[in-house]
Amino acid sequence: EAGVAQSPRYKIIEKRQSVAFWCNPISGHATLYWYQQILGQGPKLLIQFQNNGVVDDSQLPKDRFSAERLKGVDSTLKIQPAKLEDSAVYLCASSSQTGAHGYTFGSGTRLTVV
Amino acid sequence: GQSLEQPSEVTAVEGAIVQINCTYQTSGFYGLSWYQQHDGGAPTFLSYNALDGLEETGRFSSFLSRSDSYGYLLLQELQMKDSASYFCAVRDTGRRALTFGSGTRLQVQP
Repeated sequence: EAGVAQSPRYKIIEKRQSVAFWCNPISGHATLYWYQQILGQGPKLLIQFQNNGVVDDSQLPKDRFSAERLKGVDSTLKIQPAKLEDSAVYLCASSSQTGAHGYTFGSGTRLTVV
Repeated sequence: GQSLEQPSEVTAVEGAIVQINCTYQTSGFYGLSWYQQHDGGAPTFLSYNALDGLEETGRFSSFLSRSDSYGYLLLQELQMKDSASYFCAVRDTGRRALTFGSGTRLQVQP
């Protein structure tokens, strides 16, 4: 089975610019997650979708971050405007159901804000 | 909220056995999971414990004690390819996503 696809793999932007990341989960996986992983730390949840509805976005900095999953498949995460502290790897993961423990992660997008 | 504690680094030699501990605090508990992540790679799911006891999967085993809010990952017959970061993770409700610990970096030396 194909894994979780993410693009781009790397992105360098200046602070105050905007950036978008794309994720295509495993086919049939209803639950999709976006995590932020700062170097040397564990992944931190930004947002969780069940199909095209938001389950949890309590840790998403909504003044600058937005995410959508319009048709319940692909998802995009946007940052506008970016700050230096947004430099991190943005990981997308999916699971077959909300209560699953085994997530499949994509390889992530490494964002550097200069 | 939830919090997890695990050692930041562990070093061991090839062929040895290593144990990575994880203690957690959470208002509800729906199991302890373990993930492996190589540098520059994606986290990959290793194991999950919902009940007390030991779960074995090949060279890797995971243990849980719910009464002690404690678990560990045991890696046997260490190989160089086991050098990676290992994360424990919990969820406090059946619906919410996993919360990850800060990770333990394992270095396997020849």
